[in-house]
Amino acid sequence: KNEVEQSPQNLTAQEGEFITINCSYSVGISALHWLQQHPGGGIVSLFMLSSGKKKHGRLIATINIQEKHSSLHITASHPRDSAVYICAASGGGADGLTFGKGTHLIIQP
Amino acid sequence: DSGVTQTPKHLITATGQRVTLRCSPRSGDLSVYWYQQSLDQGLQFLIQYYNGEERAKGNILERFSAQQFPDLHSELNLSSLELGDSALYFCASGLSANTEAFFGQGTRLTVV
Repeated sequence: KNEVEQSPQNLTAQEGEFITINCSYSVGISALHWLQQHPGGGIVSLFMLSSGKKKHGRLIATINIQEKHSSLHITASHPRDSAVYICAASGGGADGLTFGKGTHLIIQP
Repeated sequence: DSGVTQTPKHLITATGQRVTLRCSPRSGDLSVYWYQQSLDQGLQFLIQYYNGEERAKGNILERFSAQQFPDLHSELNLSSLELGDSALYFCASGLSANTEAFFGQGTRLTVV
């Protein structure tokens, strides 16, 4: 069974700071997903990656398959980035997605 | 807008009752996944349907069942409801397990 661990659990930062959220998993996977959940509850898919790096606006996601580790970076953070960020793994012998517990990010103006 | 539609958005019901949650996947997606998000367990995979057939089961209770209809919409049936079933239930659709997942807005179920 794949275990997905995220850190930190909670993160408060000032507007403009560079943010890093880490995710590690225990067994090989097909892909790693980064999701964003706002206080209203809806979940938005940010990235799906199986190797290397992807960038979308101020968001960057990287994955190191050998180390079983992924990071989500936010550059020039803004209060509207405040949300819960969840990493999830697909494959690795499991059906559906296996989720981390999420990182609660607050960006203060 | 993810293109995945879930109804209802909110549901309040009493213990012992039965409810049905509905999900319409994105156009063209054959796979529908159901997930439960509770405060103590976080997000958990319940069940997957692919083109009308059950493809995989996760941590789904025997009191819960699902189906996917010929038009690809799916329903999750929860019966003999208990207080602990109160949670957000999400549906997601995708082309396959290894493609991007698109989530609906969720149904918030409160059992009183």
